[in-house]
Amino acid sequence: DAGITQSPRHKVTETGTPVTLRCHQTENHRYMYWYRQDPGHGLRLIHYSYGVKDTDKGEVSDGYSVSRSKTEDFLLTLESATSSQTSVYFCAISESGRRQVYEQYFGPGTRLTVT
Amino acid sequence: DAKTTQPNSMESNEEEPVHLPCNHSTISGTDYIHWYRQLPSQGPEYVIHGLTSNVNNRMASLAIAEDRKSSTLILHRATLRDAAVYYCILTLRIQGAQKLVFGQGTRLTINP
Repeated sequence: DAGITQSPRHKVTETGTPVTLRCHQTENHRYMYWYRQDPGHGLRLIHYSYGVKDTDKGEVSDGYSVSRSKTEDFLLTLESATSSQTSVYFCAISESGRRQVYEQYFGPGTRLTVT
Repeated sequence: DAKTTQPNSMESNEEEPVHLPCNHSTISGTDYIHWYRQLPSQGPEYVIHGLTSNVNNRMASLAIAEDRKSSTLILHRATLRDAAVYYCILTLRIQGAQKLVFGQGTRLTINP
């Protein structure tokens, strides 16, 4: 299994409070991704990173920011949590290189509840 | 982004082959076809990918139509552990990153 951990694994927070989720990898992979998954839906990309300090938006980035100051850590921040951000958040990593395609490896997920 | 269409659910029996279909009629020449699966309460897991030719690995086979407008994931001998939601995804490379756009997927039930 790829070395990906997410913390915390579960969190309950109140509307309006800031929340930071952490994704940590031990694989030294270049690319890191944050997704969210809501009931009955597939995963949706929030933000991704293609290197230290290099990030870009995904399809559902409003209300979220990210930072990557080290290869191994990718942080997802909800500046002011809302109930619509209640979801399961997954981090993923992938390599880079000469091949056209690299599989993504997913973490165990963080279940966030905003009350 | 090109879309995929999959049946919402399928059912099969243990130790029998399973064929999971996927339609992607708007696929472009540079789109790769990926399959991931998600077991209950876990993150998605990579299964297989291909571009034009059929592909085999230890988990499954991927059969791609000649016009690339459809593909089929084949599990040769299903086990109870294969019960999961299977996602067929077309990937787009952006600055080397691969943007996976997940649809609803097919929920596969395996009967003992």
